[in-house]
Amino acid sequence: QVQLQESGPGLVKPSETLSLTCTVSGGSVSSGSYYWSWIRQPPGKGLEWIGYIYYSGTTNYNPSLKSRVTISVDTSKNQFSLKLSSVTAADTAVYYCARVGGGYPYFFDYWGQGTLVTVSS
Amino acid sequence: DIQMTQSPSSLSASVGDRVTITCRASQSISSSLNWYQQKPGKAPKVLIYAASRLQSGVPSRFSGSGSGTDFTLTISSLQPEDFATYFCQQSYSTPMYTFGQGTKLEIK
Repeated sequence: QVQLQESGPGLVKPSETLSLTCTVSGGSVSSGSYYWSWIRQPPGKGLEWIGYIYYSGTTNYNPSLKSRVTISVDTSKNQFSLKLSSVTAADTAVYYCARVGGGYPYFFDYWGQGTLVTVSS
Repeated sequence: DIQMTQSPSSLSASVGDRVTITCRASQSISSSLNWYQQKPGKAPKVLIYAASRLQSGVPSRFSGSGSGTDFTLTISSLQPEDFATYFCQQSYSTPMYTFGQGTKLEIK
């Protein structure tokens, strides 16, 4: 059974960089069959896809966040990470890591439990 | 960008009711539509993928239909554990995935 677990600070100051890590167990980020994604959900609101990474390091980002987002992968630790720079209160959200298939029909089949990140001074 | 619009935004129903939730895409997305269920404090869980395919382990009372721009999620007989929020998600314009705003299903 694949499991994903987010970790990182729950409080980030405005203008600083949000950093989160997703640790994968029961599966490998080096699998060529999947992309590894970050998705966020502001409190009481809907879901926003942030971006994904392939084991090779290939990335794709949501254009609305592209200038501030970096996703990286560490295959030796079976982890992938998110960095979001210059955060504001609008970046306060539950951040999820999730797995999406590398081919059609591209759905998110495994998710982490989510971690709330609050942007506040 | 492809926009996804769900209706209704909220819905009250009783155990045993048949419920339908609609998702409309701003342009044709063929059958590239997935449905998720989210309970409070939990991550979303996929129910239906490719518009009509039931994910393994999901009860058969859930079904999906549609293609092009209009899609529906139907729960044939509501159970107490089905009260949750439901999201649709398009995967046509991969890698740009977008979700609907959600439909909150509440107990009447």
